[in-house]
Amino acid sequence: GENVEQHPSTLSVQEGDSAVIKCTYSDSASNYFPWYKQELGKRPQLIIDIRSNVGEKKDQRIAVTLNKTAKHFSLHITETQPEDSAVYFCAALLTGGGNKLTFGTGTQLKVEL
Amino acid sequence: DADVTQTPRNRITKTGKRIMLECSQTKGHDRMYWYRQDPGLGLRLIYYSFDVKDINKGEISDGYSVSRQAQAKFSLSLESAIPNQTALYFCATSIAGGPGTQYFGPGTRLTVL
Repeated sequence: GENVEQHPSTLSVQEGDSAVIKCTYSDSASNYFPWYKQELGKRPQLIIDIRSNVGEKKDQRIAVTLNKTAKHFSLHITETQPEDSAVYFCAALLTGGGNKLTFGTGTQLKVEL
Repeated sequence: DADVTQTPRNRITKTGKRIMLECSQTKGHDRMYWYRQDPGLGLRLIYYSFDVKDINKGEISDGYSVSRQAQAKFSLSLESAIPNQTALYFCATSIAGGPGTQYFGPGTRLTVL
C-alpha cells in the first residue's frame, strides 16, 4: 500500500511570511495529490490538488509542486494571514489499490501577528 | 460541505455498548468512506464502499463494521465500544470516475468511558 510522510508536524510563521509543508509518498503509481485544510473543530476541506501529469499548480496565495522522480510534493502558502492558521493534510491516491486516499499525519500551522 | 451530514455530532458512551454512527449525502456520489482522526495520527481509513454492494476494509477495521443501506447512506457500528475507540470520526464521499477528491462530513466526536 501507499505510505505518506508529512513534515513538519508544527510550523510557526510571522504574518506575511511564506510557509512550506512537504510530503513524500512511497508508491510511484499514485497519481493524485490533494491538500486539505482543517480549522479547529471543523471538517477537512480541499484547498488545492495536483495530478501526476502536472508539476505545479497555483491558486492565489497557494501553490503545490510535485516531483514525481523524488516522489515528493509540497504546499506553499505566500503572504500568510492569521486565518491561514489550521492543520494541513497532504494525501496521495493510489490507483489500482482500491483508489484509496492515504493521508499524511498533518501540519499544525500557526501564523503569528 | 453541507451535502454530507453525520449523526450524532457528539456521543458519550460506556465500554461494551454498541454504537452506530450515521452518514448521509445528497451529492449523488457513489463512493463513501469512514475515517477516524486521532491527534498526531492524521486520518486513518476504517471502511470504504464504492457502491451499495461493495464494502471494503481499510487499514484499521478491527472492532468496526459498516452497512451501506442505500447510495446515500453509510453507517459505521462499534459492536462493543472500548476506550481506545475514543476519537473524531469522519465520513467522506467521492464520485466514481472523478480525480479522487473526497468531501468530508462535519464529524462525530465519540467518547468511550
